[in-house]
Amino acid sequence: KQEVTQIPAALSVPEGENLVLNCSFTDSAIYNLQWFRQDPGKGLTSLLLIQSSQREQTSGRLNASLDKSSGRSTLYIAASQPGDSATYLCAVRPDSWGKLQFGAGTQVVVTP
Amino acid sequence: GAGVSQTPSNKVTEKGKYVELRCDPISGHTALYWYRQSLGQGPEFLIYFQGTGAADDSGLPNDRFFAVRPEGSVSTLKIQRTERGDSAVYLCASSRFGGDLQETQYFGPGTRLLVL
Repeated sequence: KQEVTQIPAALSVPEGENLVLNCSFTDSAIYNLQWFRQDPGKGLTSLLLIQSSQREQTSGRLNASLDKSSGRSTLYIAASQPGDSATYLCAVRPDSWGKLQFGAGTQVVVTP
Repeated sequence: GAGVSQTPSNKVTEKGKYVELRCDPISGHTALYWYRQSLGQGPEFLIYFQGTGAADDSGLPNDRFFAVRPEGSVSTLKIQRTERGDSAVYLCASSRFGGDLQETQYFGPGTRLLVL
């Protein structure tokens, strides 16, 4: 059974520091992995999607890596800003049907 | 442009009552998903529609939960004989095709359900 784990559960950093968020999954047979951002009282916003054949994806200050064989993904956010404060969730797509399996998330606070 | 919308935004009900939660997906999206998110947890998959049919309902916890999408757009999640453990945020998402491995899902703001 696939399990998705995110460590740490919460993280606080001063503005300007780089953020490193970790995601691990137990079954390497995934179709893709996505990182989402969730703001309080709002839905999820997709940040990056990495196909199972890819090693990384980049968008602006965000970079996500995927090591399928070891069951790990890392989201890097460079030069953090207070507006980056949110909960970050990773999700794997375990089959072709489209459903996602999520980790519990990492709550990030960036202090000015 | 309009995103995924969900109504109501909040619902308070009593144990044993019946509730309906509505999802309006992005226009033209054939795939629709329901998830449930408990406090401090990530969303948990409930059901996936491709058009009008439920392609995967493996996440529905029991037969008190049922969902429909009769015309392939709006979907309703129905919960009978609600229990306090059903309290959670119910999220709806849609995507253009569902089977495309490169496409992402677009989420609505959720319906916060509280069962007293």
